[in-house]
Amino acid sequence: AQTVTQSQPEMSVQEAETVTLSCTYDTSESDYYLFWYKQPPSRQMILVIRQEAYKQQNATENRFSVNFQKAAKSFSLKISDSQLGDAAMYFCAYRSLITGNQFYFGTGTSLTVIP
Amino acid sequence: EAGVAQSPRYKIIEKRQSVAFWCNPISGHATLYWYQQILGQGPKLLIQFQNNGVVDDSQLPKDRFSAERLKGVDSTLKIQPAKLEDSAVYLCASSSRPTNEKLFFGSGTQLSVL
Repeated sequence: AQTVTQSQPEMSVQEAETVTLSCTYDTSESDYYLFWYKQPPSRQMILVIRQEAYKQQNATENRFSVNFQKAAKSFSLKISDSQLGDAAMYFCAYRSLITGNQFYFGTGTSLTVIP
Repeated sequence: EAGVAQSPRYKIIEKRQSVAFWCNPISGHATLYWYQQILGQGPKLLIQFQNNGVVDDSQLPKDRFSAERLKGVDSTLKIQPAKLEDSAVYLCASSSRPTNEKLFFGSGTQLSVL
């Protein structure tokens, strides 16, 4: 099965600064999707950004961008101009297009935003 | 567009008791997932439905967990009997079709087994 690793259990960032959350994954598949989900205390997982593996261009959504390194199997999330509302758990996820379209989640990174 | 609805929001039971969780996906979403999220871990898939059929239940502990989606709309996940290690958040998610890349999640049910 695919594995997703988030090596940073906790991160903190000063408001208005930039922070990068790391994610690596292990797969033998050539085509797949990668995601970052945000989980605030309300527990509802919210999609932040997604990347198709066949696209070389890194995805961007407003203040959120990714650095996708397919050969290195790395998928980091950069949050620019951090806001207090960005404080949450962030989960990296891999979606297989072969094994039943399953999602595999990492263990999460807890982000604290310091005013 | 209404989101994925789950109830109850919290549940506290004693071990060996039974419990059921309910999920109503976004209208028209054919694919429904139940995830278990233990504290400090990422969500783990328990079962995936496509309409009212099971696509994947390989990680569902079938000796105590069961799930159904009889009419292909809402779904119920049951645990009978519960164990201490079942304490977790149970998340329901849906997508419009199996290959749709985006999942929509509910707010989950937090289960505490004492």
